Amino acid sequence: GQQVMQIPQYQHVQEGEDFTTYCNSSTTLSNIQWYKQRPGGHPVFLIQLVKSGEVKKQKRLTFQFGEAKKNSSLHITATQTTDVGTYFCAGRGGGADGLTFGKGTHLIIQP
Amino acid sequence: EAGVTQSPTHLIKTRGQQATLRCSPISGHTSVYWYQQALGLGLQFLLWYDEGEERNRGNFPPRFSGRQFPNYSSELNVNALELEDSALYLCASSFLRGKDQPQHFGDGTRLSIL
Repeated sequence: GQQVMQIPQYQHVQEGEDFTTYCNSSTTLSNIQWYKQRPGGHPVFLIQLVKSGEVKKQKRLTFQFGEAKKNSSLHITATQTTDVGTYFCAGRGGGADGLTFGKGTHLIIQP
Repeated sequence: EAGVTQSPTHLIKTRGQQATLRCSPISGHTSVYWYQQALGLGLQFLLWYDEGEERNRGNFPPRFSGRQFPNYSSELNVNALELEDSALYLCASSFLRGKDQPQHFGDGTRLSIL
């Protein structure tokens, strides 16, 4: 079945440093979604990418979808303490009915 | 607009017992998804219901089952509870099946097996 892998599992950064998490799928995806889960909270939808090579920005967050639609990345510029949490990617394969979530990247920020 | 609501917030059971978890989707959402989030294992997909029918099932044993009611609310039932079933169970809802809509999550039910 479809597998979605995320790296790294944990990332420690100093406040103000940049952060990137990568998502790779074993199959071509029709779209990819990104979610953020704050400690003690539930996942919250951030964005969806659909087109090959698509790049979207939300303030300090930049999301990319690979040309082959099998990988994606989330980059945060100049991290802040409010960015702490776990970032999940979730992909839907061309023939699949549901989303497959990656295991997430835990972002830990040291002030 | 009310979000996805789940009950109970916490549930404590012993091995072999049965647990029932409930979820009310956002008004107008017809799809309900169930996930298990055990420590360090991310979100494991359990079940997907839409329009009252089971649409997809994750790689879990048959003792995990559920249903969706005519008002689109849903129940997750776990029979013959085992220690490894201890986890946060998250419910999510979305607007349209197959339309790649975002999933909106509830706060979850924390199930603890003693």
